[in-house]
Amino acid sequence: DQQVKQNSPSLSVQEGRISILNCDYTNSMFDYFLWYKKYPAEGPTFLISISSIKDKNEDGRFTVFLNKSAKHLSLHIVPSQPGDSAVYFCAARGAQTGANNLFFGTGTRLTVIP
Amino acid sequence: NAGVMQNPRHLVRRRGQEARLRCSPMKGHSHVYWYRQLPEEGLKFMVYLQKENIIDESGMPKERFSAEFPKEGPSILRIQQVVRGDSAAYFCASSQGLAGTDTQYFGPGTRLTVL
Repeated sequence: DQQVKQNSPSLSVQEGRISILNCDYTNSMFDYFLWYKKYPAEGPTFLISISSIKDKNEDGRFTVFLNKSAKHLSLHIVPSQPGDSAVYFCAARGAQTGANNLFFGTGTRLTVIP
Repeated sequence: NAGVMQNPRHLVRRRGQEARLRCSPMKGHSHVYWYRQLPEEGLKFMVYLQKENIIDESGMPKERFSAEFPKEGPSILRIQQVVRGDSAAYFCASSQGLAGTDTQYFGPGTRLTVL
């Protein structure tokens, strides 16, 4: 039962352009969403997050948008740089009391072409 | 500013042996999580611990797997009598346990190979 889905396994973008990574979820009880970036043989690195009470959060080149009615979030990277090439994971946390575990998507491999 | 530390980074075991994976959380973090990633898949939650307490082990296989986070020392994920299907990357994360926006920070992982 995959509660967080990233339907695009890969994405290629030209350097300087916008990268848009998408994520859908099925559980309306999720209250906190995060994006992680992962290089091979390393652990996920936290990028940006958004609470369910917001619809947008921005940090430098990274912006996350949340559409609760559509159960959809997206990560925008502008401008994209070759160093952004990695696998990006979307994660969501349940709102149940005491529940703090994250549900992860299967990842999208972003390639930024110089 | 030490992040989450995990050791060993690579672990090779033969079927039937025991595997012990260690995780030291970030300074100031008292909450530890273990996740497993199989090839070409996302991370799957296993267990959530605070010092001396297991808070949520709903993702932990019922047999052969156990976890602890003692008062002193690192958190340990223990896999007894390993089988080939246990081969995976095991990631530990830690957080402050804040209400609301509590962010988990991950270690580099332990890659377990069962021969």
